[in-house]
Amino acid sequence: AQTVTQSQPEMSVQEAETVTLSCTYDTSENNYYLFWYKQPPSRQMILVIRQEAYKQQNATENRFSVNFQKAAKSFSLKISDSQLGDTAMYFCAFMGNAGGTSYGKLTFGQGTILTVHP
Amino acid sequence: KAGVTQTPRYLIKTRGQQVTLSCSPISGHRSVSWYQQTPGQGLQFLFEYFSETQRNKGNFPGRFSGRQFSNSRSEMNVSTLELGDSALYLCASSSDGNYGYTFGSGTRLTVV
Repeated sequence: AQTVTQSQPEMSVQEAETVTLSCTYDTSENNYYLFWYKQPPSRQMILVIRQEAYKQQNATENRFSVNFQKAAKSFSLKISDSQLGDTAMYFCAFMGNAGGTSYGKLTFGQGTILTVHP
Repeated sequence: KAGVTQTPRYLIKTRGQQVTLSCSPISGHRSVSWYQQTPGQGLQFLFEYFSETQRNKGNFPGRFSGRQFSNSRSEMNVSTLELGDSALYLCASSSDGNYGYTFGSGTRLTVV
């Protein structure tokens, strides 16, 4: 079974600074997908960024980028120029690509609470 | 384009009762997944439906069930409610799960 670990329960950063959230995962699959989701106090989960395991190039979405290290099974999220609106719980998630027990199943880490201070 | 809609947003039920939660996916999305979110256990996968068929199921007791209709709308049902079923229940939809799922705002269920 896949597991996802986020070792930082809480992080804080000053507005306009850069912060990196860590995530490691465990799987025996070779092809899979990784995601970062954001859950603000409004509780709606929002997809931040997506990475396909077979692509070596790290994904970027505006101020958000990832450092994907497949061999190390590491998938960290870097937020540049942090904004007050980035304050939220961030979840790292894994989805397999093997059909069967992978269908529709995101395996989430425990989350990191990020607070951006003015 | 309308997002994923979950109803109701809040629900209070008594132990032993049953409850039905509803989820309307984004138009065109045929895959619908359900999750339970609690402070202690985090986000746990309940089940996934695609074209009215359950393709995958998490490790929850049989009291938790679901279904999907021909218009892709989905419902989940919890029978014989227990205090431990109090949670935020999230529904998510996707056209192709590999591109990520879009989540609804959830239904907050409180069992008293």
